[in-house]
Formats: sequence, C-alpha cells, structure tokens
Amino acid sequence: EDQVTQSPEALRLQEGESSSLNCSYTVSGLRGLFWYRQDPGKGPEFLFTLYSAGEEKEKERLKATLTKKESFLHITAPKPEDSATYLCAVLNQAGTALIFGKGTTLSVSS
Amino acid sequence: DVKVTQSSRYLVKRTGEKVFLECVQDMDHENMFWYRQDPGLGLRLIYFSYDVKMKEKGDIPEGYSVSREKKERFSLILESASTNQTSMYLCASSLRTPGQNNYGYTFGSGTRLTVV
Repeated sequence: EDQVTQSPEALRLQEGESSSLNCSYTVSGLRGLFWYRQDPGKGPEFLFTLYSAGEEKEKERLKATLTKKESFLHITAPKPEDSATYLCAVLNQAGTALIFGKGTTLSVSS
Repeated sequence: DVKVTQSSRYLVKRTGEKVFLECVQDMDHENMFWYRQDPGLGLRLIYFSYDVKMKEKGDIPEGYSVSREKKERFSLILESASTNQTSMYLCASSLRTPGQNNYGYTFGSGTRLTVV
C-alpha cells in the first residue's frame, strides 16, 4: 500500500535554530515526491518536486533532499514567517493522484 | 495570476441537505481533484477527474459524487449531508503530463463545511 509518514507532528524552534523535517514513503517506483506549505485557513502552496535519490532543491531558507526511502526538508536559520504546516506527498503507484502525509506543524518564535 | 477558486469559504448546512461545492480553475488544466482535510487524518482524496465528463473514485468516495461538465469546473456533491462530513474541502488542479516543476497541484483556498 502506498503510504507517506511525516515526523515530527509538531516542531517548535527559536528564530535562527536550524532543523529538519522528515518524510518517509512506501510506493513502488517513485514517480515524484512533493513538498507543500500550508498556512492556517488556506490551501497548500507548492514548494518542490524531487524525482530521484540524491536530488536536492533549495528555496530561500528551505532545502529538500531525497533518498530511496525518505525525504528531508531542512530549514536553515528559520524566521517566524516560516511558521506553517509542511506537507509531503508522493504520486501513487497508478500515477493518478498524490498521497499526502499528515504534515508537520512548524512554529518559529522570535 | 493563475487561480483555483472555490465558491464558498465557509458553509453551514443541515443534516440531510444536498450540498454543492464548486471549483473553477483558469489554467486550462486537464486534471482536477477533491480532497478533504481533517485534523489528525491529513488530506484524503475523494474524487478526481482527468477530462470533461470523466470521474474516478479516490480513497473515500462514499457519500459523495462529482460533476465535470466543462474543463474548468469540477463540482463536489454531498447527496445527503451528515455530521461526519463536517470538514475542510480542498479542490486542486494540475497539468496532465508529469514533469519538472509543472506537475505540482494548484490548490484553492478551501471550503470549511459544517453540517449541523
């Protein structure tokens, strides 16, 4: 069964305190792993797509990496405006739709 | 700016009512999706569509139906609303062909439905 598991469920950081969010997945033949950001009361906003092990992508303070079993979203020197829920998803085996993890809620305090 | 627009941000309906949630996208995307999002359960796929008049069941289709009469519009129908359908409903669209940087879904802002 295709599955996505994110950890931790919640993460509290001080401004400037770097950390990583984890996304582990089980899908036969990965066709794409996606990271989204969701602010309260809004729809998810697309961040990155990763396709093969060893691939990395960066955007401002965020860097996403991919291995054969998991992906990490590294947050370097976070700011309060990085506070949000971060969602990970994979394309299902049939290639028809995304399967989402339950998300990690990040809170960054100044 | 490209958009996915959901007709209502907040909706309150009574048990047993027939409820229509509307979604319109202006990006000429082939694929459209309906998810519901609940605390502790994440996003779960209800239905999706790859073309006009075409629909496929997702993981939790029971109690729902959909309609796609035009490419830009995808409607979710709750045939007889129940309290366990109280949730945040999210519509999304995407291009048909997976590819670098263009397969990511574009989501609407969501409709928070309360059934009383």
